[in-house]
Amino acid sequence: DAKTTQPPSMDCAEGRAANLPCNHSTISGNEYVYWYRQIHSQGPQYIIHGLKNNETNEMASLIITEDRKSSTLILPHATLRDTAVYYCIVRTAGNQFYFGTGTSLTVIP
Amino acid sequence: DTEVTQTPKHLVMGMTNKKSLKCEQHMGHRAMYWYKQKAKKPPELMFVYSYEKLSINESVPSRFSPECPNSSLLNLHLHALQPEDSALYLCASSQLNMGFYDNEQFFGPGTRLTVL
Repeated sequence: DAKTTQPPSMDCAEGRAANLPCNHSTISGNEYVYWYRQIHSQGPQYIIHGLKNNETNEMASLIITEDRKSSTLILPHATLRDTAVYYCIVRTAGNQFYFGTGTSLTVIP
Repeated sequence: DTEVTQTPKHLVMGMTNKKSLKCEQHMGHRAMYWYKQKAKKPPELMFVYSYEKLSINESVPSRFSPECPNSSLLNLHLHALQPEDSALYLCASSQLNMGFYDNEQFFGPGTRLTVL
């Protein structure tokens, strides 16, 4: 059973915020939500992660709902270089990463 | 050095061949991982090594044999593979703090494997 579900694709205008949703309704209390992205079959690149609280770093913000059943990755000012497949991941207490099916984000000039 | 390196970048092998994939990191990470990624699919976890010992095997067929000879090196030995095993094989590493699971995984660029 998939631990996360994501829309298969999204478009975003360059310079606008990209909001990528993820559902993880079966997440356990000690499991973290991670976001990675992958460009042209390169190795996945870390973006951000969180447990309960919202998080922000130089790349993105992560908003986690209070019940922890869903989250949203926000890229505040999308650029063409942000075009990639974005994966929402649940990291288990057993140190396993379960990748979602990913959202293919296309940033449009 | 925050890099995970993988060799070779590309590998073509026959179904009767024996080959190995190599992964190396010098970040002092004590957890290392192998993933398999088919085209247009997400990476799937295969193996996890913690402190150089195999801690997770996600029911991977025995034709894939992992090895962790030291804390910096991870190998994946391949034997009698099938064409459906053709995929991108990704290696990753992370810190390992017992009881805390908020350490990011650093991924290598992968080895593109084709089985003929």
